[in-house]
Amino acid sequence: DGGITQSPKYLFRKEGQNVTLSCEQNLNHDAMYWYRQDPGQGLRLIYYSQIVNDFQKGDIAEGYSVSREKKESFPLTVTSAQKNPTAFYLCASRSIGMRNEQFFGPGTRLTVL
Amino acid sequence: AQTVTQSQPEMSVQEAETVTLSCTYDTSESNYYLFWYKQPPSRQMILVIRQEAYKQQNATENRFSVNFQKAAKSFSLKISDSQLGDTAMYFCAFTLGMGAGNMLTFGGGTRLMVKP
Repeated sequence: DGGITQSPKYLFRKEGQNVTLSCEQNLNHDAMYWYRQDPGQGLRLIYYSQIVNDFQKGDIAEGYSVSREKKESFPLTVTSAQKNPTAFYLCASRSIGMRNEQFFGPGTRLTVL
Repeated sequence: AQTVTQSQPEMSVQEAETVTLSCTYDTSESNYYLFWYKQPPSRQMILVIRQEAYKQQNATENRFSVNFQKAAKSFSLKISDSQLGDTAMYFCAFTLGMGAGNMLTFGGGTRLMVKP
């Protein structure tokens, strides 16, 4: 089955630690995105990537970093510089020119202890 | 910059009745795309319906339909014959063009509760 997987589903981090959230897609989509969702709020864009080895900052990139070494993978690192990282993180992908729809992964809930 | 506003933080509806969720947006562009996404308690984002701005006809998908008023920059979602499984957060979203660099801008969401 084609789709987007995110792991882990739940992640706990101690203050001062970096953590990496995984996002993999087998949809052969060119573009991938990371969003942050806080309780009761909409989604805010962290980073996006249109092609391998290229990515752009979104609205709230500070304290986050990404890489795009493979088309299928777009991991997100939440660094210790992110002041309030506790949130729900959603990864999405889109095939450029195909109905303009983004498909989302199931998300990762990150909690800072 | 584009903005999307959902003015109803919470709504409720009786099972089998009809409910309309509001969405307004602001853009100076004439060609764009609008979406409604559903996020049930599982938190999986699911595309409900999409509308291309150049199309005058309102989109429909089974029990879901939109009222797209381009001049008013309004994009409401109507859910007919509401079902318990429709209970979810609903997000209105906007994007320009077809390129990957045209990101989705989301509204703040409307929490819909369908009551038995």
